[in-house]
Amino acid sequence: GAVVSQHPSRVICKSGTSVKIECRSLDFQATTMFWYRQFPKQSLMLMATSNEGSKATYEQGVEKDKFLINHASLTLSTLTVTSAHPEDSSFYICSAPTGWGNTIYFGEGSWLTVV
Amino acid sequence: AQRVTQPEKLLSVFKGAPVELKCNYSYSGSPELFWYVQYSRQRLQLLLRHISRESIKGFTADLNKGETSFHLKKPFAQEEDSAMYYCALGGPGAYSGAGSYQLTFGKGTKLSVIP
Repeated sequence: GAVVSQHPSRVICKSGTSVKIECRSLDFQATTMFWYRQFPKQSLMLMATSNEGSKATYEQGVEKDKFLINHASLTLSTLTVTSAHPEDSSFYICSAPTGWGNTIYFGEGSWLTVV
Repeated sequence: AQRVTQPEKLLSVFKGAPVELKCNYSYSGSPELFWYVQYSRQRLQLLLRHISRESIKGFTADLNKGETSFHLKKPFAQEEDSAMYYCALGGPGAYSGAGSYQLTFGKGTKLSVIP
């Protein structure tokens, strides 16, 4: 079946630095990918919709300058957390629909810890 | 606004007992509803969707528009059913591909099946 892969699965970074998380669709092309954030014991919250060839669409309250999204190709979207703060520590998950009328597949998630 | 409510954070049942995970939604249009499951240390994966009227791993869910509910049921719980279950609501075209595939998730219910 379709696979969405995220890398890295875990990352620790220092406050003030930037960290990039990749989301790849391994056996299908995804013109759209979604980035979610999940705090402990809370639900997945949609952060932004990544669109290949155009700007990402951010949800209300999500800082576009802090969470940079680049949909570089039909199989890759990246989320860069810039000037990271400890409160950015969270579980970040991407998802991608496989196409018309098909299922949405999720990546395995990436744990970000900002120290 | 779209909203999904899963009133139970944790549900514990004995093996062989019936299971019902509750999900209520709020949506002004025609909803497209899903159940996702996350087993320990695994990624989120689709369990079933209302439009398919399918039974997966013995689980079923019926959309009740009058009660705005989409409860997940299984007549006899198995130990391997222990996992986090998320109810999700899609906007127009979330399933058909005409829309943006955006999903709104409930907070999840942790199902624990006691041997």
